[in-house]
Amino acid sequence: GAVVSQHPSWVICKSGTSVKIECRSLDFQATTMFWYRQFPKQSLMLMATSNEGSKATYEQGVEKDKFLINHASLTLSTLTVTSAHPEDSSFYICSAPGTGGYEQYFGPGTRLTVT
Amino acid sequence: DAKTTQPPSMDCAEGRAANLPCNHSTISGNEYVYWYRQIHSQGPQYIIHGLKNNETNEMASLIITEDRKSSTLILPHATLRDTAVYYCIVRFPGGGADGLTFGKGTHLIIQP
Repeated sequence: GAVVSQHPSWVICKSGTSVKIECRSLDFQATTMFWYRQFPKQSLMLMATSNEGSKATYEQGVEKDKFLINHASLTLSTLTVTSAHPEDSSFYICSAPGTGGYEQYFGPGTRLTVT
Repeated sequence: DAKTTQPPSMDCAEGRAANLPCNHSTISGNEYVYWYRQIHSQGPQYIIHGLKNNETNEMASLIITEDRKSSTLILPHATLRDTAVYYCIVRFPGGGADGLTFGKGTHLIIQP
């Protein structure tokens, strides 16, 4: 089956710094990828749609200048959390649609802790 | 996407069949029913999807009522590794351009 990887799996950074999270589709190409955020004991919330070759689209309430998304190639999307604050601490997960257009494949997630 | 309703939690004995219900009374004619699950601290995993016929794959079976207003995901022989939050999502097919909207799901706990 299709595999999506994320790097790093966890990261700790200091308040005010930036951190980059990578999402890769390992055995298929993805012109679109999605980024989600999940706070403890809550469900996943869609943050943004990453589009290869064009700007990302953000869900209402998500600051595009804070969460920079770059879809550099057909297999790589990156999410950069800029000027991170403790309230940005969360589990960040990416996904890519399968080639059949029905299912989506998720990465293992990145645990971000801002101190 | 149509709204879904799932029980917040369920228990099931290991080795027994786990039957997870989902209500989606506002589903439209072309919307599919999808099931995903999320094991603790991992990314969600696609399980199965269907339109109106019952579906089965190596992981589970999906039973959709004739009026399509509800469905049941069946894990035929649950194991401890099936403990996870299960999400029922209703959406149009070919949704490669759209992210998923997750509800609260059902926390399935498999008891030894």
